[in-house]
Amino acid sequence: AQSVTQLGSHVSVSEGALVLLRCNYSSSVPPYLFWYVQYPNQGLQLLLKYTTGATLVKGINGFEAEFKKSETSFHLTKPSAHMSDAAEYFCAVTRLSSGSARQLTFGSGTQLTVLP
Amino acid sequence: DTGVSQDPRHKITKRGQNVTFRCDPISEHNRLYWYRQTLGQGPEFLTYFQNEAQLEKSRLLSDRFSAERPKGSFSTLEIQRTEQGDSAMYLCASNTDRGNQPQHFGDGTRLSIL
Repeated sequence: AQSVTQLGSHVSVSEGALVLLRCNYSSSVPPYLFWYVQYPNQGLQLLLKYTTGATLVKGINGFEAEFKKSETSFHLTKPSAHMSDAAEYFCAVTRLSSGSARQLTFGSGTQLTVLP
Repeated sequence: DTGVSQDPRHKITKRGQNVTFRCDPISEHNRLYWYRQTLGQGPEFLTYFQNEAQLEKSRLLSDRFSAERPKGSFSTLEIQRTEQGDSAMYLCASNTDRGNQPQHFGDGTRLSIL
């Protein structure tokens, strides 16, 4: 079984400030981890993914995340928030199965507000 | 790459009616997934196809729900005798079985039950 916990359903930061969105996962096997962003009335867009290899993963729009196995965490960060970053962010996990990712298990999401 | 396409974007119907949604995946993707997302929650997995074969179904997929992918290309999700609790966003995603490919999502179909 696998699960994802996102701490903080709402996060507010000032424009230019550090963004930190927290994600902890539970998985009985080595996980694949993802961060997706969702704008209102749209689908999910992939920000970044961790599969194997380097534990610091860089994604689009200046976001990055670090896989920490000992802490079962995959927190998302961005050094300087932009107004356009305001959206809902989802952390997701899947288990490696037959060499390719299958169903995703999502956290409940974090709504990011960027204040001018 | 034209992206995952879903139709319709919005559907409003009365309780008890049947509805059908369509998903066109990215053309070279042989895997297709359906998820349901209710307000304030993350998407929840419903079912998954590899080519035309439906390989996994969630316990969320009650007997009122049926999904097909007859030729291994587009897929349909039908809900019979809709209930208030079926109101949600229905998301489709696709990827390939080659390498560690992430799932690409469509913009979803928002279903509202009156």
